[in-house]
Amino acid sequence: ILNVEQSPQSLHVQEGDSTNFTCSFPSSNFYALHWYRWETAKSPEALFVMTLNGDEKKKGRISATLNTKEGYSYLYIKGSQPEDSATYLCAPLKAGSYQLTFGKGTKLSVIP
Amino acid sequence: DAGVIQSPRHEVTEMGQEVTLRCKPISGHDYLFWYRQTMMRGLELLIYFNNNVPIDDSGMPEDRFSAKMPNASFSTLKIQPSEPRDSAVYFCASSPTSGGAIEQYFGPGTRLTVT
Repeated sequence: ILNVEQSPQSLHVQEGDSTNFTCSFPSSNFYALHWYRWETAKSPEALFVMTLNGDEKKKGRISATLNTKEGYSYLYIKGSQPEDSATYLCAPLKAGSYQLTFGKGTKLSVIP
Repeated sequence: DAGVIQSPRHEVTEMGQEVTLRCKPISGHDYLFWYRQTMMRGLELLIYFNNNVPIDDSGMPEDRFSAKMPNASFSTLKIQPSEPRDSAVYFCASSPTSGGAIEQYFGPGTRLTVT
């Protein structure tokens, strides 16, 4: 089982603020990193799957970067909106496995 | 496509009873995953299948839990006998071929309460 840490655990920001949070994971035998967005009372939805060191992905106001050598990924949200309120989960995947190990997530609350 | 379908959405049962959770993956997806979500442990993988064959069941907590996938469009997770500590939300997810670098699609979950 991989040790996956996400920080902060929770975050409150004002509408319009930009924010970012971190996912740390073991860098050995790395294959891929998944980011999911999980709204209350719904199911997790995929945001990004990243595989290459230095990779950067973007979807609207949300972007993510990946450093596989040091074992971390950042998720950025530009100009947060109330609809961005959710828990953001990261899950690394080791080479040779299809088993995602999810972090506990960062719970984002955007205050109108 | 209707997405991943799970039933029932909510299940309340008494300790000692058998519980069966059901999942229909997205058509054409070769991988199926069962997860359990609790406050203490977060989202954890129980078992996953590839082409209907169980590949890794190391996350199944104990012998009371069993999972089957008799065909490409149906899977079950059974708990017998159920205990109060099994209360959780159980998610099913599916993924296309070469699922490792491909996102997983989650169903709506089944909220299980064992009294």
